[in-house]
Amino acid sequence: EVQLVESGGGLVQPGGSLRLSCAASGFTFSDHYMDWVRQAPGKGLEWVGRIRNKVNSYTTEYAASVKGRFTISRDDSKNSLYLQMNSLTTEDTAVYYCVRVDRQSAFDIWGQGTMVTVSS
Amino acid sequence: DTQMTQSPSSLSASVGDRVTITCRASQGISNHLAWIQQKPGKAPKSLIYAASSLQSGVPSKFSGSGSGTDFTLTISSLQPEDFATYYCQQYNSYPLTFGGGTKVEIK
Repeated sequence: EVQLVESGGGLVQPGGSLRLSCAASGFTFSDHYMDWVRQAPGKGLEWVGRIRNKVNSYTTEYAASVKGRFTISRDDSKNSLYLQMNSLTTEDTAVYYCVRVDRQSAFDIWGQGTMVTVSS
Repeated sequence: DTQMTQSPSSLSASVGDRVTITCRASQGISNHLAWIQQKPGKAPKSLIYAASSLQSGVPSKFSGSGSGTDFTLTISSLQPEDFATYYCQQYNSYPLTFGGGTKVEIK
């Protein structure tokens, strides 16, 4: 079964850091681009960023709202995706989803999400 | 950035109704358009990619059309499990962007 499972969410103070993980199973993780998408409470979906595969040099793209603060990385040997979040603000409070990108460049598989709350 | 505008933002419909949701892009995106369903308290689920292609396992009651700037999602016969929020999303250029969502409620 193709599956993405996020972890690492929790409560963090403004200005703090947090690292999210996404464990992939049931498919060849190394073949795929992978994205992070977030959803603030009661709001719509917001794209956070992307990491490409090894063939494409693991290059990354970020939303302007997180660029310079968030870093996406991956470890293909562990079938894992990561989101390092620094300098967090209350605006970063959201459920964070790990998403697989298919060969047509669209999202196809979503994780169940992990909640990040930034509050003092 | 490419802005995605959905309409309506919400609608009420009955079981068995045919429902159509529209999505307009602020600039041409070819057919690089996806539709995503989200039920309350659940993770999103991808329904359609390339404007009209169904993701694996998605029932044929869902259909999509359009190209360029104007797109539609149609549910041919609304069932209880279809009551959810639907988002369009463009993947033609960065940053990837979503529409504001259309909440489909029971009449």
